[in-house]
Amino acid sequence: GIQVEQSPPDLILQEGANSTLRCNFSDSVNNLQWFHQNPWGQLINLFYIPSGTKQNGRLSATTVATERYSLLYISSSQTTDSGVYFCAVERPSGQNFVFGPGTRLSVLP
Amino acid sequence: GAGVSQSPSNKVTEKGKDVELRCDPISGHTALYWYRQSLGQGLEFLIYFQGNSAPDKSGLPSDRFSAERTGGSVSTLTIQRTQQEDSAVYLCASSLDQTVLAKNIQYFGAGTRLSVL
Repeated sequence: GIQVEQSPPDLILQEGANSTLRCNFSDSVNNLQWFHQNPWGQLINLFYIPSGTKQNGRLSATTVATERYSLLYISSSQTTDSGVYFCAVERPSGQNFVFGPGTRLSVLP
Repeated sequence: GAGVSQSPSNKVTEKGKDVELRCDPISGHTALYWYRQSLGQGLEFLIYFQGNSAPDKSGLPSDRFSAERTGGSVSTLTIQRTQQEDSAVYLCASSLDQTVLAKNIQYFGAGTRLSVL
């Protein structure tokens, strides 16, 4: 089945710093989403981005489908950005999503 | 409701007992997913429903796990003869239409934390 890798597994930042999270996937995908899981466990969809670039405030994401990776950029990080960031891909068969193992981000004040 | 609702939020049970977990998807969402997340781990796909199609059960870890979706809306995940390794957070998500790619954005509930003693 399709493999999804994320890096780095853990990231500690000082408030105000920028960061880049990476998601690699092993096969063509129909759909790619980035999620943020806050410290209370709630998963929030950040981007639906099977290809191209999108921006939402301090966050932006780029997916290069031909090279099978996606990047999530966080600028001017805040303590509320802490949590785990997951990417999830949907296979061309469209049957279900496969989640990566996540990047755990801690933003220190 | 406005979002995906799951109940109970927490469930503590004894080994060997059966449990039922409930998910109310966003109104109008035809696709519904169940995932399991063990402590500190990623999400493990369990099962998904799409409209009236046969569910994809490929992620269910054993025959003690089953799920149904009545009337294309509410779903119940049942775990029979629970084991300690079943302890995890069970998450439900729904999306508008899995066959319309641009609409297949998943929205998650808050999860049910299951503890098997």
